[in-house]
Amino acid sequence: GAGVSQSPRYKVAKRGQDVALRCDPISGHVSLFWYQQALGQGPEFLTYFQNEAQLDKSGLPSDRFFAERPEGSVSTLKIQRTQQEDSAVYLCASSLLGGLRTDTQYFGPGTRLTVL
Amino acid sequence: GNSVTQMEGPVTLSEEAFLTINCTYTATGYPSLFWYVQYPGEGLQLLLKATKADDKGSNKGFEATYRKETTSFHLEKGSVQVSDSAVYFCALPNYGGATNKLIFGTGTLLAVQP
Repeated sequence: GAGVSQSPRYKVAKRGQDVALRCDPISGHVSLFWYQQALGQGPEFLTYFQNEAQLDKSGLPSDRFFAERPEGSVSTLKIQRTQQEDSAVYLCASSLLGGLRTDTQYFGPGTRLTVL
Repeated sequence: GNSVTQMEGPVTLSEEAFLTINCTYTATGYPSLFWYVQYPGEGLQLLLKATKADDKGSNKGFEATYRKETTSFHLEKGSVQVSDSAVYFCALPNYGGATNKLIFGTGTLLAVQP
């Protein structure tokens, strides 16, 4: 499998629970992005990693959202004390290059989070 | 920052009809422009891109031309098929910070009927 994979594909959480969403980028890709896609909307940027460094987290909606990529490969997006407004599809994307070079982003299938 | 405005859907067409989905943008400079497609139950896939003014991106019979005069990047296809039914997103990078994160339009749902 050469594409971006995400797990789980679907997650149902009760309000107040913590969740962890996993992303496996394409091997060798330097850049990794997380986006949030609300129903009927386009994806919105959450955070960016260049290798293991989180260089941009300007899109994270609150301090309940936390992301990491400790070894510069797999990334985890964690949401603490989930709220109903967190219900969305969370998309991960990776690209070969890093920094400010515009490069094609390859997206995973997403994790659909439903908070009850 | 940069922004993109996309034609609202849904767009319903009969097979073999001509398709246009409008996209206009506001940007500093001349960023690359992208069309992504999301088939039911799948992730976003890059459909085509153009990296500079007057470039035409094309793929799978779809085309879009980067028009700096009208700040547009409209998606066209001469003869749609049922298999083209999907949601289409126009996107461009939003410069600032450490990377060119993408800004997406709201998406246009295309439904092609046999």
